[in-house]
Amino acid sequence: GNSVTQMEGPVTLSEEAFLTINCTYTATGYPSLFWYVQYPGEGLQLLLKATKADDKGSNKGFEATYRKETTSFHLEKGSVQVSDSAVYFCALPAGGTSYGKLTFGQGTILTVHP
Amino acid sequence: GAVVSQHPSRVICKSGTSVKIECRSLDFQATTMFWYRQFPKQSLMLMATSNEGSKATYEQGVEKDKFLINHASLTLSTLTVTSAHPEDSSFYICSAPGHYGPDTQYFGPGTRLTVL
Repeated sequence: GNSVTQMEGPVTLSEEAFLTINCTYTATGYPSLFWYVQYPGEGLQLLLKATKADDKGSNKGFEATYRKETTSFHLEKGSVQVSDSAVYFCALPAGGTSYGKLTFGQGTILTVHP
Repeated sequence: GAVVSQHPSRVICKSGTSVKIECRSLDFQATTMFWYRQFPKQSLMLMATSNEGSKATYEQGVEKDKFLINHASLTLSTLTVTSAHPEDSSFYICSAPGHYGPDTQYFGPGTRLTVL
């Protein structure tokens, strides 16, 4: 099945700093790629996604580009805010006959200080 | 947007008792739901796929008799942790595919289980 490796954290930044969280994947074919975010005390929410190579997903100032050459989907934000403090998960479909299943990276805890 | 709820949000129980966790899709029907387990500072581990009207499909290494799953209707799936032990303490999360295809999942807020 498909797999994903995510940059380990935790990551601590000051407000307005630049953020990069690395994500690389191994997959059969070219599946959709996702970033999910989990705010403290809440469930996972889809942050952004890309469905094909060279697509750029974006939302709330976050961006990630589907790079098939490097099998990567790194998450970036130019200027983080305190409210971005959360856990971020890279994910993709599990593959094979696993209809609807997702495989997640290990999660990266981001803490942003004022 | 689509919403998935879980109940209870937190539960504390004694070792040896059984605990039921409900997962509901509030404004859409879900013939399939997924149950995940999340350990502290770790990723989500898929436990099983809940199928409406048929048996659940469990991932390798997950005990079927310990984690009973019932998908009673198109909007409700339940996970029962039977004879719970402290090692079952964890954060349990359910999800359901959304309107826009199986690649889009809506997640419940999770249930924190603590077994004393």
